[in-house]
Amino acid sequence: KQEVTQIPAALSVPEGENLVLNCSFTDSAIYNLQWFRQDPGKGLTSLLLIQSSQREQTSGRLNASLDKSSGRSTLYIAASQPGDSATYLCAVRPLPNSGYALNFGKGTSLLVTP
Amino acid sequence: SQTIHQWPATLVQPVGSPLSLECTVEGTSNPNLYWYRQAAGRGLQLLFYSVGIGQISSEVPQNLSASRPQDRQFILSSKKLLLSDSGFYLCAWSVRLAGANNEQFFGPGTRLTVL
Repeated sequence: KQEVTQIPAALSVPEGENLVLNCSFTDSAIYNLQWFRQDPGKGLTSLLLIQSSQREQTSGRLNASLDKSSGRSTLYIAASQPGDSATYLCAVRPLPNSGYALNFGKGTSLLVTP
Repeated sequence: SQTIHQWPATLVQPVGSPLSLECTVEGTSNPNLYWYRQAAGRGLQLLFYSVGIGQISSEVPQNLSASRPQDRQFILSSKKLLLSDSGFYLCAWSVRLAGANNEQFFGPGTRLTVL
């Protein structure tokens, strides 16, 4: 069974810092990996999706990398802002490509202080 | 653009009462639809998914059921709620095309508290 782990569970940084969130998964047989943001009491916002054949995706100040063979992904946030404060979730879609289930980590709770 | 709606936003129900949560998607046709639950201290868990009207697959045995009466409508139900049904319920959709990346997009969620 695919297990997804996110480290650290919580992170507090001052505004302006660059930071890295980590995600690891136990089975490298994945279809894709998706990073989400969740604000308190809200739904999930999709940030980036990386296909298994890709190594990274970028959107604005966000960059996500994927090393499928080692079962790792990182989300890099440049020049962090207080508005980036949220919980960040990583999810993998395992192969075989049936069932459509995403396996989620428990998230990293990020606080960016002014 | 596509949007996904869920209601109600919050719900407090007594144990043993019925449940009906609704999810609708606008701006797309023939989507895959999903129900997830997020319980305190746990990751999101897929409960049901649907690839078409009347087609429901269950990922985990439970006290809940799902139905898809229309292409863009997905309903989560229970005949008798349990305390353990409390949680944050999220509906999601993805494009249903062969070879699509199946990126999933989530609704705003329903906070269910069973007392």
